[in-house]
Amino acid sequence: EIVMTQSPATLSVSPGERATLSCRASQSVSSNLAWYQQKPGQAPRLLIYGASTRATGIPARFSGSGSGTEFTLTISSLQSEDFAVYYCQQYNNWWTFGQGTKVEIK
Amino acid sequence: QVQLVQSGAEVKKPGSSVKVSCKASGGTFSSYTISWVRQAPGQGLEWMGRIIPILGIANYAQKFQGRVTITADKSTSTAYMELSSLRSEDTAVYYCATCTVAGYWYFDLWGRGTLVTVSS
Repeated sequence: EIVMTQSPATLSVSPGERATLSCRASQSVSSNLAWYQQKPGQAPRLLIYGASTRATGIPARFSGSGSGTEFTLTISSLQSEDFAVYYCQQYNNWWTFGQGTKVEIK
Repeated sequence: QVQLVQSGAEVKKPGSSVKVSCKASGGTFSSYTISWVRQAPGQGLEWMGRIIPILGIANYAQKFQGRVTITADKSTSTAYMELSSLRSEDTAVYYCATCTVAGYWYFDLWGRGTLVTVSS
């Protein structure tokens, strides 16, 4: 099983600031990497697939990068609605998720 | 526009089984692969298994092998996830999810989730 490790577990950021979230795979997943946002009481929402392609309707302030084993999600200027938990997921070999990064208001 | 509509919350006793449904409305069910993902309270997301309805083939995460059964009824566009030998640690929200783009495997469509509570 491919293990996905996210860091940090919690990220405290002020509105308007930049947030950088990391995700590492235990073996190469090529570009088969997605990012999801989840708010309390809601299902996850797809943000990024193919490591760097924004899903339909996702604002340009969200960007993804990386390939192989190292990936990054960047939120360029945090808005109030962006405070949530973010998960990475590999879909190169079945599916596994990282443990999540909570982005909270500083 | 396709939606995944899940069945309602369940309360079960330890040792029993639960069967959760996921109905695809507004789309061609058989062309999708339906996965099941669970989330224990305050925890992360965990993939349990998937089914290819058009083939009737199911695959399971090793952790759940022998305890989970995923099936699909093409006539009603409904997928089912049955989990047996329930224990308190199975208390979680269970989601069905799929990718609506043929040939891709990320999850761009999710059900709203079904809370399963296991308690004596």
